[in-house]
Formats: sequence, C-alpha cells, structure tokens
Amino acid sequence: SYVLTQPPSVSVAPGETARITCGGNNIASKSVHWYQQKPGQAPVLVLYYDKDRPSGIPKRFSGSNSGNTATLTISRVEAGDEADYFCQVWDSTSDHPVFGGGTKLTVL
Amino acid sequence: QVQLVQSGAEVKMPGASVKVSCKASGHSFSGYDIHWVRQAPGQGLEWMGRINPDSGVTDYAQKFQGRVIMTKDASISTVHLELSRLRYDDTAVYYCARVTSGDWFDPWGQGTLVTVFS
Repeated sequence: SYVLTQPPSVSVAPGETARITCGGNNIASKSVHWYQQKPGQAPVLVLYYDKDRPSGIPKRFSGSNSGNTATLTISRVEAGDEADYFCQVWDSTSDHPVFGGGTKLTVL
Repeated sequence: QVQLVQSGAEVKMPGASVKVSCKASGHSFSGYDIHWVRQAPGQGLEWMGRINPDSGVTDYAQKFQGRVIMTKDASISTVHLELSRLRYDDTAVYYCARVTSGDWFDPWGQGTLVTVFS
C-alpha cells in the first residue's frame, strides 16, 4: 500500500517560514491535501489539490508538489499556527485514502 | 455549508460493541460518501471505511473487516459506525468526515471519544 512519510516535528520562530514535507513514491502524480489539527480539535482542511486554499485559510499557507515530496509552507508563522499537520492522498491502487503520520509544528 | 455533528463520548468494556452516530445538517445529506477516521491518543489518523449515504454501499479498511458495520438512516440524515469486540487499543477519538469528488476530507465532525476500560 502507498506510504506517506512526514517528519515528526518542525520548529520555527515567530515570523519565520515553516516547511513541512510529505514524502511518497512519485507523489507528484497525486493530489495532496493538508490538514491542521490543534489540540482537542478535529482536523481542518488547509490546502487541497496541492496548493489551493479553502475559504478562510490565510494566504500565508501555500503548497507545492514535485517528484517524491510535497511541501506545506507557512510564511510569517504565528503562535496560532502551532498544531499537528497531516498530509493525505488517495491511493488509486486500493481506492482508499492514505494519511501521513503527522508533523507537530512548534512555534518557539 | 454542511455540518457534521457526532454523538457523545462512550465508555465500554473489552469485548463490547459501540455505536457512534454522525448527523449532517445545513446541506443535502446525499451526494458524497461519509468516511470514518480514528485517532488513538497521541497518534495519527487511521482510515476505517466509508459509506455512501444514498445507496448504503460500504467499503471497509481491511484491518476492521468483520468488526465494523457502517449504516445510514437517510430520514434523519445520519450515518452510524458500529465497532464490535472492542479491545483496549480501540480507545480513540472517532471522526466522521465527508469526502467530495476531489478526494479530500471536509468537513469533519467534532469527534467522539471511545474509551475501552474495565
């Protein structure tokens, strides 16, 4: 089955740029979606189709997808961005969704 | 905008069954599959399966085959997840979420904590 690999943690100072990666075999051939989950809350979609933002998501959130790595980039990081972030794709072989293991973003 | 509202927390003994509900409001219940995803304490997201709220057709992750049943009650815009033969490692927050034709999960229910405890 298809596997997505994320770093367990990323730390960044306020105002800096955070980059969270999601690795998968030829992931560029798939659409990657990203979710933000704050403690005690349900996940929230922050990017779909690699880089599109749902209504209400700040422009500071952007995405890219190339080769074997998709990246969620958060510019001008704020304390409120501290959360777990999960990537997700649809595995066409199994016709099931697949989630990455999640990355905890810490704002120093 | 559709909203998904789930039933309240449950505490169950090992070997028992639990049934969690997910009610859609604010938009048509039909048209897109409702999926169930669980999250054990401090862990990631684990897909359990999906149900088509129109046809009732289900598709379960292999891990849960034989222990999970997803059903729908269109008259009250609600889908249910039933998990049987509960084990301690079934302790988790269970989420329902809608998946559109674009294959992303949005929105999510607020989650239901199921604790397996003796």
